[in-house]
This record gives sequence, structure tokens and C-alpha cells, in this order.
Amino acid sequence: GQQLNQSPQSMFIQEGEDVSMNCTSSSIFNTWLWYKQDPGEGPVLLIALYKAGELTSNGRLTAQFGITRKDSFLNISASIPSDVGIYFCAGRGVTGTASKLTFGTGTRL
Amino acid sequence: EAQVTQNPRYLITVTGKKLTVTCSQNMNHEYMSWYRQDPGLGLRQIYYSMNVEVTDKGDVPEGYKVSRKEKRNFPLILESPSPNQTSLYFCASRDWGTGDTEAFFGQGTRLTVV
Repeated sequence: GQQLNQSPQSMFIQEGEDVSMNCTSSSIFNTWLWYKQDPGEGPVLLIALYKAGELTSNGRLTAQFGITRKDSFLNISASIPSDVGIYFCAGRGVTGTASKLTFGTGTRL
Repeated sequence: EAQVTQNPRYLITVTGKKLTVTCSQNMNHEYMSWYRQDPGLGLRQIYYSMNVEVTDKGDVPEGYKVSRKEKRNFPLILESPSPNQTSLYFCASRDWGTGDTEAFFGQGTRLTVV
């Protein structure tokens, strides 16, 4: 099945630093989603993007739906210790399995 | 409170012994799915269901079965578990339709097959 390329795989940062991560796909998506997973828990939705070029913020988090519809970016500003976790991107395709979400491999922060 | 509930949270079993992991959601969502999460591979979809009595294979369906007899429940069945099915499993649900693509996840079931 299709997978998204998510980078970086992991990163170590100092408190207060800004963080950037991205996902790329070989095919076009209609929707991009970003999740965070804490240890021992299920993923929790952070931001949902529905239109190419869309830029959406949720507190210190900002995500963008790439113009080509094949990529998305997540930025975290002024990181704090509770930002630690695994961040996943997920995309929903255009046709066929329109309801299916494809997940990236995660960025461990 | 809106939630997806999985049981059990942890399970250790032996090869070949049939098991069922239950999943229930209280949001009247039409769409439910099962994922497995393995290190370095992210979440991969096993099966999904668009509504009662409508199920279909995801990316990694081999060795698994599902059923959707009621809207709220979507159990995952391993008829003859094998060690390569040791994994962390998540059930998820969401509304069907273009406007709402949020997915609510359960807390996960960590399965070990020895």
C-alpha cells in the first residue's frame, strides 16, 4: 500500500526552539491531517487541511497544505517539554479509496 | 464523552489461539477502521468499514477478519495468530463524507503472540 515520506524521522531540540517537519507523497491528496501520539496513547488530531495552499494554525502549531497537493508541512514554534511525542501526517486520496487515510512513518520529537 | 473504546489494552497469547479485540464508538460514526503500528512503519490500515455489513481490506489484511453487525462495534478477529502479528493495534472511527475527516482513535491494544 501507499506510504507517505515523512521527515525527519527524529529530532532532538532545545526548549524554546522552533520545529519543522514535512510529508511528501507521490500522489495527490484531497486532505492532509497531522496527529500527535503520546506514549501509550492513540494518535490525537492536531490540524486538518482541506484545500491546496491552506495555512492553518492551532496555538503554537502551524500546518500548510502544499500547492502541488503532494506535500504538507507542520511547524511548532517555541517548543516546550510537553511537545515531546511522535507526530504523524496522514493524507486522504482523491478517487477510489476516497475515505482511506494513508499515514506517514512519523517524526519522533 | 465522545470516545473509541478498545479492549483489551494488553494481550499476550500463543500461536494459533483465536482471539478477538473489541472496538466500540459512541459517536454514531459510519466509518470505522483498524490499524497496526510497527516501529519505522507508522500506521497501516488492516480493514475498514463504511457502514453496517460493509467491510473492505486495507493495506495489510492477511491473517485478520472483521465484522460490522452494528454501527457502534467493529471487532478485529485473529483466527490463528502468529508471532508476526505482534504489534500495537488501533481502532478508529469518523464520519463518512468530505466535510469531516477527523479520525478518533482508541487507546490501543498491545498484542504479543509467542
